[in-house]
Amino acid sequence: DADVTQTPRNRITKTGKRIMLECSQTKGHDRMYWYRQDPGLGLRLIYYSFDVKDINKGEISDGYSVSRQAQAKFSLSLESAIPNQTALYFCATSDSAYEQYFGPGTRLTVT
Amino acid sequence: GEDVEQSLFLSVREGDSSVINCTYTDSSSTYLYWYKQEPGAGLQLLTYIFSNMDMKQDQRLTVLLNKKDKHLSLRIADTQTGDSAIYFCAEKPGSNTGKLIFGQGTTLQVKP
Repeated sequence: DADVTQTPRNRITKTGKRIMLECSQTKGHDRMYWYRQDPGLGLRLIYYSFDVKDINKGEISDGYSVSRQAQAKFSLSLESAIPNQTALYFCATSDSAYEQYFGPGTRLTVT
Repeated sequence: GEDVEQSLFLSVREGDSSVINCTYTDSSSTYLYWYKQEPGAGLQLLTYIFSNMDMKQDQRLTVLLNKKDKHLSLRIADTQTGDSAIYFCAEKPGSNTGKLIFGQGTTLQVKP
């Protein structure tokens, strides 16, 4: 079984709809991250969390919110989706060491 | 500030060596990374180098770090068609957020 899972893997939604992307991990890591990937821009950090009570904004948090329901679960919400939020979204986890482990990604299209 | 730059595309012939370059701006970076992304997949850590090292070799992969010029490179020897992917350079800044700063990604195309 994969260490970091994301659901859904693909989603098409309409402008103005609320959508939630979910991430679960079995690695027992405290730190979790949400990134978005756009062609030619690499990955940019949206939010990160050090534990259930510690949530921090990344460089592009506007239009997004997150919820850390448990150590193993970190959800990303788009309250009112807009077309420029069309992207590939990645969840990642890490312990205090050097490596981040990435999920397979969620491809989101907002029409 | 924190910024990482890469060229967007590299094409090589199978069997040749590939060299992917990266520059970064944060002199307090602790670790620098190379991640590989195959089509439809997430990011896979290929290798990393600690900031006090100059070179790291791991089978076909050689990482060179020039800390003075803030330049990182990844050399893939005997490049195979299975190496075709997007390669991301990333740095871990000195602050304790654990976050990574990624470059734009270099698409490596390997021609038979």
